[in-house]
Amino acid sequence: GAVVSQHPSWVICKSGTSVKIECRSLDFQATTMFWYRQFPKQSLMLMATSNEGSKATYEQGVEKDKFLINHASLTLSTLTVTSAHPEDSSFYICRASRGYEQYFGPGTRLTVT
Amino acid sequence: KNQVEQSPQSLIILEGKNCTLQCNYTVSPFSNLRWYKQDTGRGPVSLTIMTFSENTKSNGRYTATLDADTKQSSLHITASQLSDSASYICVVSATRNNDMRFGAGTRLTVKP
Repeated sequence: GAVVSQHPSWVICKSGTSVKIECRSLDFQATTMFWYRQFPKQSLMLMATSNEGSKATYEQGVEKDKFLINHASLTLSTLTVTSAHPEDSSFYICRASRGYEQYFGPGTRLTVT
Repeated sequence: KNQVEQSPQSLIILEGKNCTLQCNYTVSPFSNLRWYKQDTGRGPVSLTIMTFSENTKSNGRYTATLDADTKQSSLHITASQLSDSASYICVVSATRNNDMRFGAGTRLTVKP
């Protein structure tokens, strides 16, 4: 199956700073990328959906100005957490999608101190 | 109410034993059902994918069943190993257009 990578795999940042997380589909052209957030012992929560070259669609309750999503190409999407706060500490996972094919990234652990 | 319900919420079994995880869904119209394994601190990894016409699908020691009439699925794990300790997530898609609905998962712990 396709390989989806995320970078970094973990990051620690100070409160008030911004952090960018990359999601790359290495051998797969993803028409749609999804971003999820997962808190400990909870299920994945969809944050936003983005199609290549279009603005992302955010789920209710997710601040689009805080979580900036860019889907510049069929193999790369980025999630930028702006002005991070400790409550943004979570596990962020992307999913690359093309029709029936769906592949999750390995996740990025964000800790905001 | 979640459209995908999994049970049990958590399960502890001894190494070598078998177990069965359940998934009931109300998602409609149904396109496909996937079982994923998620290790702690990792992304979900696909175990099986089943469409409407498939009743069972195996992947090594994992066997998934699907009853589209009753909208139920199960994941059976045989001869469990310590490495099977993980969360198992049932995901149901309503259409081919990526609208995936997630269950809350079953947390399986295999003890020696």
